[in-house]
Amino acid sequence: DAGVTQSPTHLIKTRGQQVTLRCSPKSGHDTVSWYQQALGQGPQFIFQYYEEEERQRGNFPDRFSGHQFPNYSSELNVNALLLGDSALYLCASSGRLTGDEQYFGPGTRLTVT
Amino acid sequence: GENVEQHPSTLSVQEGDSAVIKCTYSDSASNYFPWYKQELGKRPQLIIDIRSNVGEKKDQRIAVTLNKTAKHFSLHITETQPEDSAVYFCAPNTGNQFYFGTGTSLTVIP
Repeated sequence: DAGVTQSPTHLIKTRGQQVTLRCSPKSGHDTVSWYQQALGQGPQFIFQYYEEEERQRGNFPDRFSGHQFPNYSSELNVNALLLGDSALYLCASSGRLTGDEQYFGPGTRLTVT
Repeated sequence: GENVEQHPSTLSVQEGDSAVIKCTYSDSASNYFPWYKQELGKRPQLIIDIRSNVGEKKDQRIAVTLNKTAKHFSLHITETQPEDSAVYFCAPNTGNQFYFGTGTSLTVIP
């Protein structure tokens, strides 16, 4: 049984570009949350998807958007990249059986130059 | 939003000693209190959690205590080992949002 997976593992982009990150939740999970973790900081909540809709959102600008597919996988899109968007982007999944417990993926390291 | 603080930010202990990390939060609606361990370059991993109807929970060398009145919960690690060295995050849950603390870097000296 695969855990949470994310792709790609690393990504380098230029300021102003757009990026799409992908996440597949753990088998049996239907809820996906996205976090941004800057170097030396704790993860910051971006948003959460459930039943293909954004259910909760943290304090992030509209440049950050997402999507959830019928198979529960999810994408995070960031437009007009800034240098400050360089971070580790983590995806976490949870489900009815696990309740509040979240399982994290390995993350995508995004570098904006 | 939730205001989460962790203390201390860094902690060094001798192998075999105990370590305690405290997390304070602001939102009284928080009802789920997990602790995560993150080793360098790896994903956060849930190590222990507690819910608002329980005051203390223990799992081998790790325990978590909760004081809802004072709005804080603590991670206790006994008989520390070098492999306990990592960054630890608390993440009190308000609704479906997790507000992570700034982390505590624990170093266990052999």
